[in-house]
Amino acid sequence: SQTIHQWPATLVQPVGSPLSLECTVEGTSNPNLYWYRQAAGRGLQLLFYSVGIGQISSEVPQNLSASRPQDRQFILSSKKLLLSDSGFYLCAWSPWDRGAYEQYFGPGTRLTVT
Amino acid sequence: QKEVEQNSGPLSVPEGAIASLNCTYSDRGSQSFFWYRQYSGKSPELIMSIYSNGDKEDGRFTAQLNKASQYVSLLIRDSQPSDSATYLCAVMGGNRDDKIIFGKGTRLHILP
Repeated sequence: SQTIHQWPATLVQPVGSPLSLECTVEGTSNPNLYWYRQAAGRGLQLLFYSVGIGQISSEVPQNLSASRPQDRQFILSSKKLLLSDSGFYLCAWSPWDRGAYEQYFGPGTRLTVT
Repeated sequence: QKEVEQNSGPLSVPEGAIASLNCTYSDRGSQSFFWYRQYSGKSPELIMSIYSNGDKEDGRFTAQLNKASQYVSLLIRDSQPSDSATYLCAVMGGNRDDKIIFGKGTRLHILP
């Protein structure tokens, strides 16, 4: 079966500090991968998605970036965090190669920028 | 701008009754439809997917799709307190690089 991991689970960072969140998927190959942010009381905002190694599409201009160095690894980064970066960050994967389009979410990282 | 609309709620339903959650979408070309459940502080969990018009049943859950009306619904029979959560409707096109568009969710509260 497939499993998606995210770490850390919670993070408190000062404004201006760097960020690195990691997501890995087990039990599948060539998944679509996604990063979402959910701010308090708001909907899911798609940040980045990837259909393959090194292929990243950005949905929202911001101070965040994403990379996919391996097939099942997706990393979200920032060089300098802003207060507005606080939120619940969710990684998701989709088993596109089986003709299925559902997205499955990881447990998430709750980021507080102080 | 593709949109998915849901009533934010809260929707209060007595335990044992049927909870009915509704969703409309703007993109007539949408092909895939999903319902997610999100407990407070947790990540969304996929509970139903539906791809063709009609009803799809899974246990106590029934998803209903009407593409002509651009309308998706989720029925929860024999509602339990553990069903209290926010339910997200999600809609997607038919291509690999299409994005899922999520609604903002409906908060459901099952009254014991």
